Amino acid sequence: DAKTTQPPSMDCAEGRAANLPCNHSTISGNEYVYWYRQIHSQGPQYIIHGLKNNETNEMASLIITEDRKSSTLILPHATLRDTAVYYCIVRLKAAGNKLTFGGGTRVLVKP
Amino acid sequence: DAMVIQNPRYQVTQFGKPVTLSCSQTLNHNVMYWYQQKSSQAPKLLFHYYDKDFNNEADTPDNFQSRRPNTSFCFLDIRSPGLGDAAMYLCATSRDLSGGAGDTQYFGPGTRLTVL
Repeated sequence: DAKTTQPPSMDCAEGRAANLPCNHSTISGNEYVYWYRQIHSQGPQYIIHGLKNNETNEMASLIITEDRKSSTLILPHATLRDTAVYYCIVRLKAAGNKLTFGGGTRVLVKP
Repeated sequence: DAMVIQNPRYQVTQFGKPVTLSCSQTLNHNVMYWYQQKSSQAPKLLFHYYDKDFNNEADTPDNFQSRRPNTSFCFLDIRSPGLGDAAMYLCATSRDLSGGAGDTQYFGPGTRLTVL
C-alpha cells in the first residue's frame, strides 16, 4: 500500500471548516483513499473513502486532486466532539482489506 | 443498534499469565480483525478471520493466537504476556474483503491491557 504523509497536528475553531491535508504521491490507480478518526480512548471510526471523484457524506467531504497525489478531508462545521486523531490511509482496491495506519493528524477543535 | 462489543474494557494480568480478550458483533459480518495499539502509536493489524479462515500478519508474534468459534465471536489469546504487550487491543469487523464499500471496517471500543 502507498504511504501517506499528514501534518502531525492542527488546531481549528469550533464552527469553522476544518481542512485536513494528506499527501499520497505514490498512489496507484487501483488504490482507494480512506479516512478514519480516533477519538481519545475509543476505537477508530470510519469517515469516508474515495477513488478519484470527490465524495460527501453526513460526516465530511473528501476532495481528491486530479492527479490523485493528495487529498483533503473537510469537516464543514467543526465541533468540540470532532477533536480526534485523523488517519488518512491508502489501500489497494482488492488487497484483502489490510488497513495500514500511519501517524495521523491530531486535530484539536477549540471553542 | 448493530455494533462491535469488546469485554472487558480494561484488563489487568500478570507477567506470563495467559489472558483472553473477547469481541462480539451484531453486524453479521464475515470478517473480524484484531489490532494492537500501543501508547501514542497507530493501530497495527495482528490477524483477521474471513469466516473460519485465519490470516496471520507476518510480524505477529507466536505469543498471540486467535479463535473464532462462530460468526459473532472472536477471541484474542495472549499465551504469556510480557510487559511489552501492554496496549489497547481493538477488534474490528467488515462485511467482506471485496475491495469495495463492503469492506469498510467497524471498530469496537477496545480493551486496554495492563501487564504487571
